[in-house]
Amino acid sequence: DTGVSQDPRHKITKRGQNVTFRCDPISEHNRLYWYRQTLGQGPEFLTYFQNEAQLEKSRLLSDRFSAERPKGSFSTLEIQRTEQGDSAMYLCASSTPTGNDGYTFGSGTRLTVV
Amino acid sequence: GQQLNQSPQSMFIQEGEDVSMNCTSSSIFNTWLWYKQDPGEGPVLLIALYKAGELTSNGRLTAQFGITRKDSFLNISASIPSDVGIYFCAGRSTTGNQFYFGTGTSLTVIP
Repeated sequence: DTGVSQDPRHKITKRGQNVTFRCDPISEHNRLYWYRQTLGQGPEFLTYFQNEAQLEKSRLLSDRFSAERPKGSFSTLEIQRTEQGDSAMYLCASSTPTGNDGYTFGSGTRLTVV
Repeated sequence: GQQLNQSPQSMFIQEGEDVSMNCTSSSIFNTWLWYKQDPGEGPVLLIALYKAGELTSNGRLTAQFGITRKDSFLNISASIPSDVGIYFCAGRSTTGNQFYFGTGTSLTVIP
């Protein structure tokens, strides 16, 4: 297993366009998390899945954001009608069911909205 | 979400010096994690702490779970250039399902 993979690494989009990011977690991990990180800040929690069920969503996740994990393996995060304020690093992480051993993060997707 | 405050915000030190940083929370946590992040990459887990008062080492890194359960500390001994990066603490409460992250401490090591 090569760890958590995120695709693409970088995305530049025009304001108003939709974008979709993909995350492939570690195969034995059934929990998957999405975080957002802006420059000079720590990662902020967006949402998490246990298998295919989305169990918690942050208030940061506006109705323009939607995340899915249809088969309990990879996940997608879609942002509709992007705004300049959406520019950030979007990090995916996975963990065992308890998460007690911490999260393994991917390298992130850097989104720039112009 | 939870607010975790890290101190100091940034540090500039000479190679070979020891480093100390800390993280405080307004809430009680039952798990503390310390991560390091290089530019353009995701955070990498360094140390996990599970009990108040616990002291855990990983090579030159030592972290402690504060006895109040509202703080944690990270020390790096004999710093080297590859220690450069941003260090984040993360904590999770007994009722929480996700970790909240601190604001980070940026470390620069001058050779």
